[in-house]
Amino acid sequence: AQTVTQSQPEMSVQEAETVTLSCTYDTSESDYYLFWYKQPPSRQMILVIRQEAYKQQNATENRFSVNFQKAAKSFSLKISDSQLGDAAMYFCAYRGRTQGGSEKLVFGKGTKLTVNP
Amino acid sequence: KAGVTQTPRYLIKTRGQQVTLSCSPISGHRSVSWYQQTPGQGLQFLFEYFSETQRNKGNFPGRFSGRQFSNSRSEMNVSTLELGDSALYLCASSLDGSVTETQYFGPGTRLLVL
Repeated sequence: AQTVTQSQPEMSVQEAETVTLSCTYDTSESDYYLFWYKQPPSRQMILVIRQEAYKQQNATENRFSVNFQKAAKSFSLKISDSQLGDAAMYFCAYRGRTQGGSEKLVFGKGTKLTVNP
Repeated sequence: KAGVTQTPRYLIKTRGQQVTLSCSPISGHRSVSWYQQTPGQGLQFLFEYFSETQRNKGNFPGRFSGRQFSNSRSEMNVSTLELGDSALYLCASSLDGSVTETQYFGPGTRLLVL
């Protein structure tokens, strides 16, 4: 079964600084997608960025970028110029064709990011 | 375009009761997935519906069930509630539920079982 591991339960960063959140995953599939979701205290889960496994180029969305290392099964999220609004739980998620044809999301346990003014 | 909506937002029930939660997907989305979020277990997949059919189910007991209507709205039902069912229940929609599609989440329904 696919698993996603986020080894940092909590992280903190100073406003305007850069922080990197780690994520590793385990899969035997070749066709899959990886996501970072953000869940602010209001609880609405928001997609931050996604990466297709077949693409070598790392995805970027404004201040958010990923470092995707397919061979190492690593998918870290870098937040540049951190803002107070970036404070939230961040979930790394995997989506691929699991046994039975499901395309469900498999989530890590999350990393709570605190942004200090 | 309106996002995924879930009703009710908060719910308090007692053990042994049953509960029905509702999810309206983004217009045009035909796949709806349900997840349970708890502090201990994190986010766990419950089931996914597409075109009124359940395509996959997670490792939850039969007390958890769901259905989808022709307009793609989905409901999930939990019968004989247990204290451990207290959780945030999230639904997510996507166009067709394929691996290429991003799932968009609703705000969730917070269920407290007393």
